[in-house]
Amino acid sequence: EAQVTQNPRYLITVTGKKLTVTCSQNMNHEYMSWYRQDPGLGLRQIYYSMNVEVTDKGDVPEGYKVSRKEKRNFPLILESPSPNQTSLYFCASSPRDRGSGGAFFGQGTRLTVV
Amino acid sequence: AQSVTQLDSQVPVFEEAPVELRCNYSSSVSVYLFWYVQYPNQGLQLLLKYLSGSTLVKGINGFEAEFNKSQTSFHLRKPSVHISDTAEYFCAVSPLSGGSYIPTFGRGTSLIVHP
Repeated sequence: EAQVTQNPRYLITVTGKKLTVTCSQNMNHEYMSWYRQDPGLGLRQIYYSMNVEVTDKGDVPEGYKVSRKEKRNFPLILESPSPNQTSLYFCASSPRDRGSGGAFFGQGTRLTVV
Repeated sequence: AQSVTQLDSQVPVFEEAPVELRCNYSSSVSVYLFWYVQYPNQGLQLLLKYLSGSTLVKGINGFEAEFNKSQTSFHLRKPSVHISDTAEYFCAVSPLSGGSYIPTFGRGTSLIVHP
């Protein structure tokens, strides 16, 4: 089954404690992206990657890091989380062929930073 | 660059009534257009897409959308909604070439269907 898998689904952490949210896709997609979703603000792109070892900033990259060492994986790293990073996070992947129908999304990771 | 404006943040409607969720976009290049749906506590899933051809596009669960190039709009419609249609709906665009392949999203419209 084609899917994007995020882990964990729920996470509560303390300010400053480094964490990683994993994302893996099994569709051999070139493009992957991270979004955060906040009430009234919709989906805002954090980082995206157009292929292995190619990453770029989205609209709200501050406080986040990503890496793309393998095609299937695109982890999101918060080196020193702060309460304003409390949010719902989504990973998405998309094929090179833009006409194939858009992005596939993971189930989301609800992060709370206290 | 592209931008998407969803004109209503919330749309309340009674069951079996028709509904329209509005979406306007801005882009300097030609785009593909999408509607996604997010049910409570779930990720986003594709509802329908416009790539080319007929401007009236049919999607899953009885939804349809019409692409209007002159008005740069892609409004979503359903003739008769069900309680189960209660969800967040996102309009998105992706350029045909250049830039990020990942879609740009609007802020979402919360559809609330009342019995």
